[in-house]
Amino acid sequence: EAGVTQSPTHLIKTRGQQATLRCSPISGHTSVYWYQQALGLGLQFLLWYDEGEERNRGNFPPRFSGRQFPNYSSELNVNALELEDSALYLCASSLGDSVLGTDTQYFGPGTRLTVL
Amino acid sequence: AQKITQTQPGMFVQEKEAVTLDCTYDTSDPSYGLFWYKQPSSGEMIFLIYQGSYDQQNATEGRYSLNFQKARKSANLVISASQLGDSAMYFCAMRDFGNEKLTFGTGTRLTIIP
Repeated sequence: EAGVTQSPTHLIKTRGQQATLRCSPISGHTSVYWYQQALGLGLQFLLWYDEGEERNRGNFPPRFSGRQFPNYSSELNVNALELEDSALYLCASSLGDSVLGTDTQYFGPGTRLTVL
Repeated sequence: AQKITQTQPGMFVQEKEAVTLDCTYDTSDPSYGLFWYKQPSSGEMIFLIYQGSYDQQNATEGRYSLNFQKARKSANLVISASQLGDSAMYFCAMRDFGNEKLTFGTGTRLTIIP
């Protein structure tokens, strides 16, 4: 069974540009999560999508946005890039059934975004 | 608010020895889940083990076990018979039921010495 995939692996942009990161969840998973791992800041929750809807977002400015497509894949867009947006962006997916309480998030390999 | 504390920034352990990675947590929710992830230098977060707050027994997955002490709010990861491939960052994380986001600790960098 294929795991979570992300593209591109690396992305280099300049300040002010826009970046688009993509994620394909594990087959059968409906929930997709985005996390930012920046140096010195640890792993921070960005966004959660389930069944095509944004369900929750972390403490990030509106220039961080995304969407989930009918096939449950997801896109993260970062507008007006700033130097501090340089980080590893991790996508995770899960079955989306938190009622059971065992809804494990499985992560992809990440996209390393560098803003120059 | 949820909080995860990992007090060991780095650890060096001899190959084949057991190692315990510490994790304490804080939450006001009686229902929660605790997770451990491994992050090799490649960057991918690999799920290792899960413990639910109502689970009566400590979770085990192969060489990984979770020493869950609810009253002390601790969820330490125990790796038995460590291997060179265990060298990585290890993150403890928690999720309150009904709140899908994971809150992570700062991680412990484990280095296995041959």
